[in-house]
Amino acid sequence: DGGITQSPKYLFRKEGQNVTLSCEQNLNHDAMYWYRQDPGQGLRLIYYSQIVNDFQKGDIAEGYSVSREKKESFPLTVTSAQKNPTAFYLCASSSTSGLQETQYFGPGTRLLVL
Amino acid sequence: QKEVEQNSGPLSVPEGAIASLNCTYSDRVSQSFFWYRQYSGKSPELIMSIYSNGDKEDGRFTAQLNKASQYVSLLIRDSQPSDSATYLCAVSTSYGKLTFGQGTILTVHP
Repeated sequence: DGGITQSPKYLFRKEGQNVTLSCEQNLNHDAMYWYRQDPGQGLRLIYYSQIVNDFQKGDIAEGYSVSREKKESFPLTVTSAQKNPTAFYLCASSSTSGLQETQYFGPGTRLLVL
Repeated sequence: QKEVEQNSGPLSVPEGAIASLNCTYSDRVSQSFFWYRQYSGKSPELIMSIYSNGDKEDGRFTAQLNKASQYVSLLIRDSQPSDSATYLCAVSTSYGKLTFGQGTILTVHP
């Protein structure tokens, strides 16, 4: 089956801890994205990558880091500098980063702070 | 002013009625427009995309775009209880970046 997988489904973070959210796609897509969704709100872009070994900050990158060492993988690290990390994190991918390209979403990871 | 703004909800319609969801955007250079549906606790799934002025129909769904008025809408005909979800409007203004509205909650009651 082709698609986007995210793990874990739920993640608990202790204060001062860094945690990493996994995102893998087997769609052969070049572009990948990370969004954050808070209750009752739309999605906000954290980071995106148009090609392997390259990525750009989105609108709310502070407190987050990413890497893109492989085409199929785009992990997101939520660092201790992110003071309000509780949210629903969504990974997406698109064939390219063109303006008319549709972004497809993974199932999401819900991050909670202990 | 928010970059992408959707009509405030929640919106409640009876089964079989037409549901009308509206979205306005502020950036005139916006090129592409998307409607996603999101069920509670799930990730968004694409319903429609539209790039040119006018209407685009797909089954019970019709997207309407008016770039002069910076307005995009989604009509759902013959609404079903299974259409009950949050609908997200998204606008693409530059490569690789989608800006989302806050979403409109739609409830279709039997």
